[in-house]
Amino acid sequence: EAGVAQSPRYKIIEKRQSVAFWCNPISGHATLYWYQQILGQGPKLLIQFQNNGVVDDSQLPKDRFSAERLKGVDSTLKIQPAKLEDSAVYLCASSFLTGAKNIQYFGAGTRLSVL
Amino acid sequence: SQQGEEDPQALSIQEGENATMNCSYKTSINNLQWYRQNSGRGLVHLILIRSNEREKHSGRLRVTLDTSKKSSSLLITASRAADTASYFCATDSSPLYGNKLVFGAGTILRVKS
Repeated sequence: EAGVAQSPRYKIIEKRQSVAFWCNPISGHATLYWYQQILGQGPKLLIQFQNNGVVDDSQLPKDRFSAERLKGVDSTLKIQPAKLEDSAVYLCASSFLTGAKNIQYFGAGTRLSVL
Repeated sequence: SQQGEEDPQALSIQEGENATMNCSYKTSINNLQWYRQNSGRGLVHLILIRSNEREKHSGRLRVTLDTSKKSSSLLITASRAADTASYFCATDSSPLYGNKLVFGAGTILRVKS
C-alpha cells in the first residue's frame, strides 16, 4: 500500500512570496488533514477535509492560507503572502475512520523556510 | 491549541534500559494515541487506547490511561538505538468535532548505544 505523498520536500522563499504544497493521500482515505509543525512543537491542525468538504478550518489563518481538495482525492495548501513565522514543516495526513478510531497516516512533510 | 503535554521534554538513556514518557490532557476524550517521529520524517502511529481501557500492550510498548487524572504513560522496554525519535501523544475528542487529533509538544528520546 502506497503511503501519503507530499511535494516538494523542501522550499525556500522570501517573505511576501507565495508557495503551494501538494498532498496525495492513501487510496480510499476519505479524510485528509493539513498540519503545521513549528520546530520543537507538536503538529497543529490547520484544516480537515472529509471527501471534498471542509470539516474544520478553525485554526487556518484565512487571510493568507487557503486549501482545496478537488474531487475528494489530492489536496493543495497555499500561503500568500508568506511571513517569517510561517517557517515550519507542513504535514499532510489521511485516515479511514472506522468506528471510534481515528488513526492517521502521515506524509514526510514539506519543510518551508521563509527568509 | 495543544491539549496534551508530555513530560519529560527530553530523555536520554542507555540501550537496553526502559523509557517512560507521560502525557497529561485537559478535556474528556474518546481515545488517546501515541505517535513516533524520526528526524525529518512524518509521524507514525504506535498505539491507541480507548477511554474505557486502562492498559494496552503492543510488542515492547505498554500504554496506560488514567481518565480520572487525565493522564497517560508510554513505556518502551529494552530500548534500542532505533527507538531514538520524538514521541507525541494525541487526544481524539468527541465525534461532534470530526474526530480530530490534538497533539502535545512531544518528548525527545535519545537511546545511546
